[in-house]
Amino acid sequence: AQKVTQAQTEISVVEKEDVTLDCVYETRDTTYYLFWYKQPPSGELVFLIRRNSFDEQNEISGRYSWNFQKSTSSFNFTITASQVVDSAVYFCALSAPLGKTSYDKVIFGPGTSLSVIP
Amino acid sequence: DAGVTQSPTHLIKTRGQHVTLRCSPISGHKSVSWYQQVLGQGPQFIFQYYEKEERGRGNFPDRFSARQFPNYSSELNVNALLLGDSALYLCASSLEASGEQYFGPGTRLTVT
Repeated sequence: AQKVTQAQTEISVVEKEDVTLDCVYETRDTTYYLFWYKQPPSGELVFLIRRNSFDEQNEISGRYSWNFQKSTSSFNFTITASQVVDSAVYFCALSAPLGKTSYDKVIFGPGTSLSVIP
Repeated sequence: DAGVTQSPTHLIKTRGQHVTLRCSPISGHKSVSWYQQVLGQGPQFIFQYYEKEERGRGNFPDRFSARQFPNYSSELNVNALLLGDSALYLCASSLEASGEQYFGPGTRLTVT
């Protein structure tokens, strides 16, 4: 069965600190996608990144970076020089096939609530 | 281009009633998925529709049903509402059946 674990329920950091959000996943599939979404207080889920299971290269986008390690089934997310606007709930997610079809659903972790204090 | 839109934004219903939630995908997207997000938890998959056919269903009772129209918009119906159905219902659209999903703002359903 597929599962996503985000062990950190809540994190508080002071503005300009770096913060890493942990994500560990379980799947028996050889092909899958991993995602990170941001959910600000407004409630809308904002797509941040999708990573193919065959691509283990780290990715950097501005202050955001992602570390994908297949050996440890982890897909961690780091925010550098955090800002107050980064305060939100962050979800790690995993695609899972719908039966034997090519279609899939997304399985979300429980989320990590990040508070950035000015 | 407009993103995924959902209506209504908020809804209050009484136990036992029926509710219909609506979703319009991003223009050109043919796949729509529905998720339920209970307060304090991650979204849970309910349905996926692609090209107007149901492609997958999550672990939800038959009280939940959905359909997709020729213009790719979608409706989620919930019958015989229970207090536990109170949640944020999110719709997501994607260009293909297994592509990145873009979420709408959600419909907040409160069952009293």
